[in-house]
Amino acid sequence: GAVVSQHPSWVICKSGTSVKIECRSLDFQATTMFWYRQFPKQSLMLMATSNEGSKATYEQGVEKDKFLINHASLTLSTLTVTSAHPEDSSFYICSARGPGLAGAKYEQYFGPGTRLTVT
Amino acid sequence: SQKIEQNSEALNIQEGKTATLTCNYTNYSPAYLQWYRQDPGRGPVFLLLIRENEKEKRKERLKVTFDTTLKQSLFHITASQPADSATYLCALANNNDMRFGAGTRLTVKP
Repeated sequence: GAVVSQHPSWVICKSGTSVKIECRSLDFQATTMFWYRQFPKQSLMLMATSNEGSKATYEQGVEKDKFLINHASLTLSTLTVTSAHPEDSSFYICSARGPGLAGAKYEQYFGPGTRLTVT
Repeated sequence: SQKIEQNSEALNIQEGKTATLTCNYTNYSPAYLQWYRQDPGRGPVFLLLIRENEKEKRKERLKVTFDTTLKQSLFHITASQPADSATYLCALANNNDMRFGAGTRLTVKP
């Protein structure tokens, strides 16, 4: 149980275009979803936290107009990178947490990540 | 500012030995602490969670300790195997916030 999927697993796009990444909790209801970015050999950096049905809370330094997050249902959150630039190239990972999971409700489960390359 | 430090960027040990990884933190009061394994190009995989009022947690060959006075967690892998080679991340969290350390890359040599 507690499977989180991401789509696509990798994407290459041209500078100036927008890219949407989907994050789904497959077997539980995710009341909270998190989006992280990870550069090579660095740790995960939290970008934003979203609770189902409400606006995402962005970390300091993360542009909310550039990284649009939608958490419209208990099983789906999307991250849209608008007007992407080469410096946005990174590994984007979502995670989900839900009270319905067995055991500690604070466990977070991660998706496999999406490798974004902007040319 | 909040700081999470994992003892070393890389740790090399011989197969069969116990690997011990350290996570220290400052300016943070976590309700719980988690350890994750991450393989290259993959998302982190949850291993263990320990709460602030727990001293120790075990799961098969894994053991985690949590000392809120020292602000430190130790993560042990006993009888290590080459398949345990990966990057291990500690994460500190309270109700709606989780922060990760930079990770320790463990290599277990046969």
